[in-house]
Amino acid sequence: QKEVEQDPGPLSVPEGAIVSLNCTYSNSAFQYFMWYRQYSRKGPELLMYTYSSGNKEDGRFTAQVDKSSKYISLFIRDSQPSDSATYLCAMSAGNRLAFGKGNQVVVIP
Amino acid sequence: GAVVSQHPSRVICKSGTSVKIECRSLDFQATTMFWYRQFPKQSLMLMATSNEGSKATYEQGVEKDKFLINHASLTLSTLTVTSAHPEDSSFYICSARAGQSDSPLHFGNGTRLTVT
Repeated sequence: QKEVEQDPGPLSVPEGAIVSLNCTYSNSAFQYFMWYRQYSRKGPELLMYTYSSGNKEDGRFTAQVDKSSKYISLFIRDSQPSDSATYLCAMSAGNRLAFGKGNQVVVIP
Repeated sequence: GAVVSQHPSRVICKSGTSVKIECRSLDFQATTMFWYRQFPKQSLMLMATSNEGSKATYEQGVEKDKFLINHASLTLSTLTVTSAHPEDSSFYICSARAGQSDSPLHFGNGTRLTVT
């Protein structure tokens, strides 16, 4: 079993729809959880950074962490074509950092 | 804040030559920087951890003599791909933390290396 599992997609949604992304993990030592957005041929950009179980909102983005189920999610409300990118989940425990494979999202105008 | 600048963004070189990639933390000091490699539609693969003032720590399977890392200051790390071959063609990305060990990584914009 991989340490972090993320469905690579691609996921296509119409503009305005809610995008739902998720990752599962196996290492209960992970304490910090991140979501990155990566446009083609660019470096990953930090979107959300959470520590505890629960929800964290930032504009149209909501990150959700369920440590008991080892499951994290990212929701994008009112999706825009500019949200089309690859979204990577990441999680850390001390200096150890693990990434998901990335989930390609396409928002269709 | 927490900007990481990487240069060049794209480079084409001939087989056998060496290429240097620079990674700078613009508004913070980074005692540790990380170098990743990314293949198309794949996740990030950690190559090495660059430590200011000391030797880099390489991941298993990464040749330290081929991928030379120098971290001479708190804001600059360089990766030199020596005697490049076509199979070294890839997307190389550096990153750094602006705070303590559990703070998130901030990434540069990557360098697309093509070896002909």
